[in-house]
Amino acid sequence: EADIYQTPRYLVIGTGKKITLECSQTMGHDKMYWYQQDPGMELHLIHYSYGVNSTEKGDLSSESTVSRIRTEHFPLTLESARPSHTSQYLCASSGWGRGSEPQHFGDGTRLSIL
Amino acid sequence: GENVEQHPSTLSVQEGDSAVIKCTYSDSASNYFPWYKQELGKGPQLIIDIRSNVGEKKDQRIAVTLNKTAKHFSLHITETQPEDSAVYFCAAGSGTSYGKLTFGQGTILTVHP
Repeated sequence: EADIYQTPRYLVIGTGKKITLECSQTMGHDKMYWYQQDPGMELHLIHYSYGVNSTEKGDLSSESTVSRIRTEHFPLTLESARPSHTSQYLCASSGWGRGSEPQHFGDGTRLSIL
Repeated sequence: GENVEQHPSTLSVQEGDSAVIKCTYSDSASNYFPWYKQELGKGPQLIIDIRSNVGEKKDQRIAVTLNKTAKHFSLHITETQPEDSAVYFCAAGSGTSYGKLTFGQGTILTVHP
């Protein structure tokens, strides 16, 4: 069973629209992440959060923004979607503290901008 | 920053054969090495992980080995089955990375019946 949920699973939308991709986790994890996965498979970190009110940009520059108002919720927003934003977006979470633990992934949102 | 290289990019085996995927990392501070399996339409799922104080770990048909001196680690799958067909990712993280992982490029494994 999934402990991290992403909605919608698929979204096809026109250029210029504002989009919010939802991500929620029930594990109480402090750390959450957004990845962009291109057709070449590679996972690129675009945003992460250490906890409530903390957000940082990842290794790959993205025009999207994120917020972390509640521990369990880490939405990603695109103010004005463009065809270049077409991709798969994966959300993940991991435990607590500075060290590394397993990241738990959602099943992703496949976004297509027409 | 950390850089993780993964090989091969595609691997095709017959059912029952073994499969080996190799990764190298650059940051000697990395101390956590997970492996993920991603099936079509799903997010990556952790299948096994190893920390730097251990050289080998096994879980049924899968095993991971780590060579800290050479900075490389490998995934071994024995007695492969068609349901092992998926994309596999290695990753590396450190004790100060706040959970951030650097992923390899992925390997598409195909097991032919």
